[in-house]
Amino acid sequence: KAGVTQTPRYLIKTRGQQVTLSCSPISGHRSVSWYQQTPGQGLQFLFEYFSETQRNKGNFPGRFSGRQFSNSRSEMNVSTLELGDSALYLCASSLEPSALAPTDTQYFGPGTRLTVL
Amino acid sequence: AQSVAQPEDQVNVAEGNPLTVKCTYSVSGNPYLFWYVQYPNRGLQFLLKYITGDNLVKGSYGFEAEFNKSQTSFHLKKPSALVSDSALYFCAVRVLLGGATNKLIFGTGTLLAVQP
Repeated sequence: KAGVTQTPRYLIKTRGQQVTLSCSPISGHRSVSWYQQTPGQGLQFLFEYFSETQRNKGNFPGRFSGRQFSNSRSEMNVSTLELGDSALYLCASSLEPSALAPTDTQYFGPGTRLTVL
Repeated sequence: AQSVAQPEDQVNVAEGNPLTVKCTYSVSGNPYLFWYVQYPNRGLQFLLKYITGDNLVKGSYGFEAEFNKSQTSFHLKKPSALVSDSALYFCAVRVLLGGATNKLIFGTGTLLAVQP
């Protein structure tokens, strides 16, 4: 079974631009979560999607948004990019959302490395 | 506040020796604990988890972890380290905040360096 895939793997943008990252979950997994990883802040939860609805949200500004499609694929968007948005963005999928199945394992993709210049 | 801590930024061990990567947690209620490993320029790979039951959990690649409720710890262990085990290890705890607001909180990570 294929793992979680993320595209693109690397991205370079300039301040003020916007960016869209894509994530395809493991087949059969219906919940997708996004995380930001930086050297200073570590791994931080962005949001979780299930059944095309955001179910859970971390403490990030409204510039960070996401969506989920009927096939469970998900995208996240960052508008008006800032230098501090440079990070590795990780997508993780699980069978069920954390509210229903808190013991479910989340499986991570390889990440998208975003560099903002 | 509910949290997870990895007190060591780096652990150095010689190949063939046993290794331990430490993790302590602070949560309300029963903890759901996870260990992940990250290799350079890669995502996180799941190693093992503790939900309930036996305090010794066995996982992938020969790793195991011991849950200790009284010490609120969940240390990762391996009897004999390999150079290929060198990577960044993360402990995480599922925090149940009620309703939909559950979060997976990660520690700061511990870099494991195994010397040949």
